[in-house]
This record gives sequence, C-alpha cells and structure tokens, in this order.
Amino acid sequence: QPVLTQSSSASASLGSSVKLTCTLSSGHSSYIIAWHQQQPGKAPRYLMKLEGSGSYNKGSGVPDRFSGSSSGADRYLTISNLQSEDEADYYCETWDSNTRVFGGGTKLTVL
Amino acid sequence: QVQLQESGPGLVKPSGTLSLTCAVSGGSISSSNWWSWVRQPPGKGLEWIGEIYHSGSTNYNPSLKSRVTISVDKSKNQFSLKLSSVTAADTAVYYCARVFVYYGSGNLLDVWGKGTTVTVSS
Repeated sequence: QPVLTQSSSASASLGSSVKLTCTLSSGHSSYIIAWHQQQPGKAPRYLMKLEGSGSYNKGSGVPDRFSGSSSGADRYLTISNLQSEDEADYYCETWDSNTRVFGGGTKLTVL
Repeated sequence: QVQLQESGPGLVKPSGTLSLTCAVSGGSISSSNWWSWVRQPPGKGLEWIGEIYHSGSTNYNPSLKSRVTISVDKSKNQFSLKLSSVTAADTAVYYCARVFVYYGSGNLLDVWGKGTTVTVSS
C-alpha cells in the first residue's frame, strides 16, 4: 500500500503564501489524494481532492486562497494570503487495495 | 448537506469493549458511499480504523482487524464501531466520516463528524 510523507512542520508570515508537500511512495505516483485541515481542538475538515494531473476540486466553503497542484509523486497544497485561522495541522490521505492511509501531518505556524 | 454525529461512552475499562455509533443526517446511509471510522490519540496523527458499505461489506486496518467490528443499521441511518480488548493505547478521539467514491480514480473522505473522546481507564 502507499506511504504518504509530509514534513512535520512549516511556518510562514501573516499575509504571505506557503506550499505544503505530500509525497507518494514509489509505484503510487498517479494516485489521487485528499487534503484535510485540522484547526486546534477541532475535527478535521476536508479541503480538496487532488489528482496527479494537478486538477483539484475543493470542498464546500473552502476559501479561494487554498489551491492544489501536483508534480510527479508530489502533491501540493498552497495557501495564499495566510490568515491566523490557517494555523492548523494539515493531513493528506489516499486509498489503495481496501486500505486508507494518512500522512503524518504538517503543523503550520502563522508568524 | 450530510452531517455525522458520534455518540457513545467516554470511559471504557481496560480489557472491555469500546462501542460507538455514528448517526447520519441530511442523507441516506444507503447512498453510493462507504462510511469510515478514524481515530486520533492525544497529540498524534490520524489513524484509519475501518469502513463499511450499506450492503454490510467491510474493510479494516490490518493492525486492528482482530479487534474491530463495524456494522450498519439502515433502519436507523447509522453505523457503529466495536473495538474489543481495549488498553490505554486505544485512548483517542474517534471520528466517523463519509467516503466519497470517485469511480475509476479511488475514494476519499469528504465529510467528518465532530469526534468523541474515549478514555480507557479503570
């Protein structure tokens, strides 16, 4: 089954942009993934589905500041014009052979 | 839109069985979706437990499979989780979630419940 690798932490300044990465393991570079946001003390929230082509579909109510892109086995989540409420943990997720897999999560700090 | 709500005891004794229910509102559990359970131990990441289709077909995390049973009650529009022989390591926030099927591409979680905290302690 695939393994999803994420950096454990990232930081960026208020009003700037940040690009988070989720890397699919070898042999799984074509897989679709989802990005989820988990603000402190809250449940995860679905942000978007992201394909290997870079095409993405966001969930209801997700701000335009959130976008996705892909390059090979890498899946990116870009957040523009960072707001304080974007400080959260971000998880990627995929599925294969009846098994669901999560990345370890990236903790984003807004400075 | 579909909403999910977990319920069940917040405290379970070691070696006992954890039992949770997820009520589905705003949609039918018999739709073309799977229904999933995910947990998050304190300070840690997300761990998939397993999922069920309205037909009763199930998939489980191999690391938990021997202790997990997920069932569906279509008459009540809900699905349930049972985890047996629990230890302190099973202390976590438990979430239910909907799985959206993208035919030909795969399937992903797209709706989450608010979660319920379960502590395993005597």
